[in-house]
Amino acid sequence: AQTVTQSQPEMSVQEAETVTLSCTYDTSENNYYLFWYKQPPSRQMILVIRQEAYKQQNATENRFSVNFQKAAKSFSLKISDSQLGDTAMYFCAFMIGLSNTGKLIFGQGTTLQVKP
Amino acid sequence: GAVVSQHPSRVICKSGTSVKIECRSLDFQATTMFWYRQFPKQSLMLMATSNEGSKATYEQGVEKDKFLINHASLTLSTLTVTSAHPEDSSFYICSAVRGPGQGSYNEQFFGPGTRLTVL
Repeated sequence: AQTVTQSQPEMSVQEAETVTLSCTYDTSENNYYLFWYKQPPSRQMILVIRQEAYKQQNATENRFSVNFQKAAKSFSLKISDSQLGDTAMYFCAFMIGLSNTGKLIFGQGTTLQVKP
Repeated sequence: GAVVSQHPSRVICKSGTSVKIECRSLDFQATTMFWYRQFPKQSLMLMATSNEGSKATYEQGVEKDKFLINHASLTLSTLTVTSAHPEDSSFYICSAVRGPGQGSYNEQFFGPGTRLTVL
């Protein structure tokens, strides 16, 4: 069975600084996707970034980047130049395979508070 | 594009009544939709996978007779909580996946959620 673990229930960061959220996963699969989702107070789930397991290059989306270590089964999210709007709960998620019926397995979540 | 709506956004009902929640993909066809349940400050728990034109697949521990799912068209899935009780109070979220040939096939697009309160 696949599992996703986020070991940091809560984190805080000063505005404009950098913060890294940790995520580890366990799987015997070789083809999979990893995601970071953001859930702000509105509770709307928003995709932040996606990484395909077969790609060695770390994904980047503007201020958001990941450090994907496949052998270590680690997938951390770095947020640079943190903004107040980044305050949210962040979920790491895993999806098996390449079909569009793949289920998402979520980690426990990390609540991030960006302080002015 | 890729907008998913849910209706209602919040509902309050009496214990013993049934409540229906709709999930619609507004600008794409969704062959698969997922239903999640989320308690405050906790993660999303997958309840079931809904495929258009077929029976839903429920996760272990989810009562299929209590949480009825119908995916009657490529743009609509419904979750009916039957004989609701206070312990069913929660935040219910749906997501939809585009059908083949409509772009990024493996991304789930989430609805805004429905807050259910059972008195």
